[in-house]
Amino acid sequence: KNQVEQSPQSLIILEGKNCTLQCNYTVSPFSNLRWYKQDTGRGPVSLTIMTFSENTKSNGRYTATLDADTKQSSLHITASQLSDSASYICVVSGLSGGSYIPTFGRGTSLIVHP
Amino acid sequence: DAGITQSPRHKVTETGTPVTLRCHQTENHRYMYWYRQDPGHGLRLIHYSYGVKDTDKGEVSDGYSVSRSKTEDFLLTLESATSSQTSVYFCAISDVSRTTGELFFGEGSRLTVL
Repeated sequence: KNQVEQSPQSLIILEGKNCTLQCNYTVSPFSNLRWYKQDTGRGPVSLTIMTFSENTKSNGRYTATLDADTKQSSLHITASQLSDSASYICVVSGLSGGSYIPTFGRGTSLIVHP
Repeated sequence: DAGITQSPRHKVTETGTPVTLRCHQTENHRYMYWYRQDPGHGLRLIHYSYGVKDTDKGEVSDGYSVSRSKTEDFLLTLESATSSQTSVYFCAISDVSRTTGELFFGEGSRLTVL
C-alpha cells in the first residue's frame, strides 16, 4: 500500500528561525513529489514539484530536497515569517492501473511566533 | 489562480437528507478529484474522474457517488448524509498531459450533518 509519513506532526518556532520538515514515502512506481502549503480555511497551494531526477528545488525561502534512493524528502524554510504559519503537506504521485493517483501525507502544522 | 469554484461553500443539513456538492473548473483539465479533510487524517480521496463519464473510487468512497457529464463539472453526492460525513470537502483538478501532475485545489466546502 502506498504511504506517505510526515514528521514532526506539529512544530512551533520563533520568527526569523529556520526549520526543516520531513517526508518519507513508499509510493511505487514513483512519478513526482510535491510540497503544498495550506493556510487555515483555504485549499492547499503547491510550493515545489520534484521528479525522480531532481535533488533540490527552491521557491523563495522554501527549499525542498529529494533522495529517491532512500525515499525521503525534506522542506527547509529559511528565515521564517509569521505568514509561514500553516500546514505543510507532502504529496507523492505514482501511476496505478493506468491512472494518476497522488498519495497525501497528514501534514505538519507549523506555527511561527513573533 | 486556477479557475476552480466549489459550491456551496458552507452547508448544514440533517441526517438522512441528500446533499450534492459541485465543483466547476474553467481550465479544461482532464482529471478531477474529490477529497475530504478531517483532523488527524489529512486529505483522503473519495472519488476521481479521468474524463467525461469516466470515474473511479478512492479510498473512502462508501456513502458517496459522483458524476461528470461534462469536462468542467464534477458533482459529489451524499445520497443519505450521516454525521460521519461532517467534513471539509475539497475539489482538485490536474492536467496530467503537462507531466507535472500538479493539483490545483478549490477553496473547500464545509459540510455539517446534524
